[in-house]
Amino acid sequence: SQTIHQWPATLVQPVGSPLSLECTVEGTSNPNLYWYRQAAGRGLQLLFYSVGIGQISSEVPQNLSASRPQDRQFILSSKKLLLSDSGFYLCAWSSAASGANVLTFGAGSRLTVL
Amino acid sequence: RKEVEQDPGPFNVPEGATVAFNCTYSNSASQSFFWYRQDCRKEPKLLMSVYSSGNEDGRFTAQLNRASQYISLLIRDSKLSDSATYLCVVNHYGNNRLAFGKGNQVVVIP
Repeated sequence: SQTIHQWPATLVQPVGSPLSLECTVEGTSNPNLYWYRQAAGRGLQLLFYSVGIGQISSEVPQNLSASRPQDRQFILSSKKLLLSDSGFYLCAWSSAASGANVLTFGAGSRLTVL
Repeated sequence: RKEVEQDPGPFNVPEGATVAFNCTYSNSASQSFFWYRQDCRKEPKLLMSVYSSGNEDGRFTAQLNRASQYISLLIRDSKLSDSATYLCVVNHYGNNRLAFGKGNQVVVIP
């Protein structure tokens, strides 16, 4: 069966510090991978998605970046965090066949920027 | 107009009662529709897809109205464990992009 792992689960970072969130998927190959952010009182916002190694589509201009160095690994990064980057970050995957129709989410990373 | 709109609630429901809520979407060309459930401080999980003819899954019934561009979710015989936020999700732009509503918060009261 497929599983998705995301870490760290919680982090508190100062403004201006770097960020790295990691996500890995097991039990499938060539998944579509996504990063979403859920800010307080707001819906899920798609940040990045990837349909293959090295292929990243950015949805919202921001100071975040994403990379997919391996088929089942997706990384969200920032060089300098802003207060507005606080939120609940969710990695998700879907099978290439289904497109984005059925997403399975990781447990999320809760980021607080102080 | 927002892509997907939901009344956040909360919807306070007595245990055993029925609750229903709608979600409206802006793109008439949307193809796929879903309800996800999100527990407090947890990740969303797929509850059910929504088919054109409407569909049931146990106590949950989902319906789609393309003419008025809304989908609905009805929960019968509410259980305390049904307390959660229900997210309306629409395949809005194409195969790789889903639009999420802010969710309908349901609180089932003993």
